Amino acid sequence: EVQLVESGGGLVKPGGSLRLSCAASGFTFDYAWMSWVRQAPGKGLEWVGRIKTNAAGGTTEYSTAVEGRFTISRDDSKESLYLQMNSLKTEDTAVYYCATESGFYVKWWGQGTLVTVS
Amino acid sequence: EIVLTQSPATLSLSPGERATLSCRASRSVDSYLAWYQQRPGQAPRLLIYDSSNRATGIPARFSGSGSGTDFTLTIDSLEPEDFAVYYCQHRTTWPPLTFGGGTKVEIK
Repeated sequence: EVQLVESGGGLVKPGGSLRLSCAASGFTFDYAWMSWVRQAPGKGLEWVGRIKTNAAGGTTEYSTAVEGRFTISRDDSKESLYLQMNSLKTEDTAVYYCATESGFYVKWWGQGTLVTVS
Repeated sequence: EIVLTQSPATLSLSPGERATLSCRASRSVDSYLAWYQQRPGQAPRLLIYDSSNRATGIPARFSGSGSGTDFTLTIDSLEPEDFAVYYCQHRTTWPPLTFGGGTKVEIK
């Protein structure tokens, strides 16, 4: 069974930093492109960024809303994904989902972790 | 950037009825479109990919169709657990993942 378990969310002041983690199991993590998708309270889904496999160069891509402030990384030995968020803004308040990509669609989702910037 | 517009915003139906949800792209996306279901308090889950292919474990009452700019998600005979918000998503070159604004299917 595929499991993606996010942690690290919480309350942070504007301008602050937070690091989210995602523990993965049930699939071959080092073969998976991984993404972060967020959802502001009562709003729709917004792609944040992705990291490709190390075999594909470990390339990262980000939405324009977070480019330069957020950094995605992965540790295949720990089957973990990370999202380092700096210079946080109130508009970054959202539930952050860790997710796997397959064929450029989101195949598996974690349950999400809430980040509140206030 | 391709924009996905979903309609209606809210669909009020009774259990057992058929739901027809629309997703329109601002320009052609071929058949590269997915649908997701999000139940209250839960994470989204993939229902349909490449316009008409059901994801693993998705019941046959869910079907997708369309190509180019107009897509439809049909739910035959709504079950109580189908009342949820549905999102379409396109895979593009940039940004890689684009979602529509969602359609809420609520109990009438």
